Amino acid sequence: QVQLQESGPGLVKPSETLSLTCTVSGGSISSYYWSWIRQPPGKGLEWIGYVYYSGTTNYNPSLQSRVTMSVDTSKNQFSLKLTSVTAADTAVYYCARETYYGSGSLTVDYWGRGTLVTVSS
Amino acid sequence: DIQMTQSPSSLSASVGDRITITCRASQGISTYLAWFQQKPGKAPQSLIYAASSLQSGVPSRFSGSGSGTDFTLTISSLQPEDFATYYCQHYHDFPPTFGGGTKVEIK
Repeated sequence: QVQLQESGPGLVKPSETLSLTCTVSGGSISSYYWSWIRQPPGKGLEWIGYVYYSGTTNYNPSLQSRVTMSVDTSKNQFSLKLTSVTAADTAVYYCARETYYGSGSLTVDYWGRGTLVTVSS
Repeated sequence: DIQMTQSPSSLSASVGDRITITCRASQGISTYLAWFQQKPGKAPQSLIYAASSLQSGVPSRFSGSGSGTDFTLTISSLQPEDFATYYCQHYHDFPPTFGGGTKVEIK
């Protein structure tokens, strides 16, 4: 059974960089797309972007100027960096696996437990 | 971005009830739609992809239908563990976006 676990600081100061890592266990990171999705407290879900195991990325245009994702296949990990954070970036951040299915589209099939990141001085 | 609108935003139902949640896309998305269940304080869980295909391990009381702009999630006989918030998400193009959620509460 594939499991994903987010790790990283739970508190980040405004204007600084949020950095999270997701460790994948129970399966290989190869041949899949690995995404980050966030959820502000009490609100809905927002797709941040994905990184393919080869390193190819695709970001939400609303965050593209501040987001960088990377993958380390040797460690079965992938990472998120979000620069110049503000209080609006306070959210639970989920890592997730996206899989292609028959019609040629992606879908999330596995989620991490999520980690709350608070932006505050 | 494609806007996903769910209705109702909340509903009250009893164990054993049949319920239907609707998701409407602002433009046609074929069947590139998924449904997720989220319980309080927990991560979402994937229920359905491709509008009507159940993820592995999802009970058969869950079903999805629709194509184009209008989609439904149906729970045929509501169980106590089904009280949660449900989200739809399209994957027709980038960025994939989610509906606002439908909270299913105990009557």
